[in-house]
Amino acid sequence: GQQLNQSPQSMFIQEGEDVSMNCTSSSIFNTWLWYKQDPGEGPVLLIALYKAGELTSNGRLTAQFGITRKDSFLNISASIPSDVGIYFCAGQPRGGATNKLIFGTGTLLAVQP
Amino acid sequence: NAGVTQTPKFQVLKTGQSMTLQCAQDMNHNSMYWYRQDPGMGLRLIYYSASEGTTDKGEVPNGYNVSRLNKREFSLRLESAAPSQTSVYFCASRGTVYGYTFGSGTRLTVV
Repeated sequence: GQQLNQSPQSMFIQEGEDVSMNCTSSSIFNTWLWYKQDPGEGPVLLIALYKAGELTSNGRLTAQFGITRKDSFLNISASIPSDVGIYFCAGQPRGGATNKLIFGTGTLLAVQP
Repeated sequence: NAGVTQTPKFQVLKTGQSMTLQCAQDMNHNSMYWYRQDPGMGLRLIYYSASEGTTDKGEVPNGYNVSRLNKREFSLRLESAAPSQTSVYFCASRGTVYGYTFGSGTRLTVV
């Protein structure tokens, strides 16, 4: 099935550093979403993007819907220990079923105090 | 305010045993989903239900069956568990916006 390429697979950083991760597809997406999964929990929606070029922030998190509509980016500024978890991108492909999302493979983030 | 509730949280099965994973949502959402999560594989869709009374296969449906009992409940059944079904299973629901709401997961080990 269709998959999203998410990178990096993992990141090990120091508290206070900024983080960037991205998600790419070979096809056009109408919607991009970013989720965070805390250890032992289900994913929780962080940011939703609905149009090309859109830049949206949620506290220290900023996400962008790529101009080509084939990629999206998530940045975390001034990381803190509670940012630890797995970050997933997800998207609604153009022409796909409107009730199914495609998920990336996730980026594992570890933050050392 | 429970959102999506999954039971059980943990389960160990012997190969060949059967079990049903339960999922209920209290947000009046139409669509419900079952995913499995394996290391390095992300979230893979097993089955989904776009509305009460309908179910469809996802990416990895083999070895599973589902029932949309009513608008609130969507169960996943393993008829004859296999070690390859060891995974973390997530139920999710979706209303009128694109984002899903996930449950906290069922951690299943098949020995």
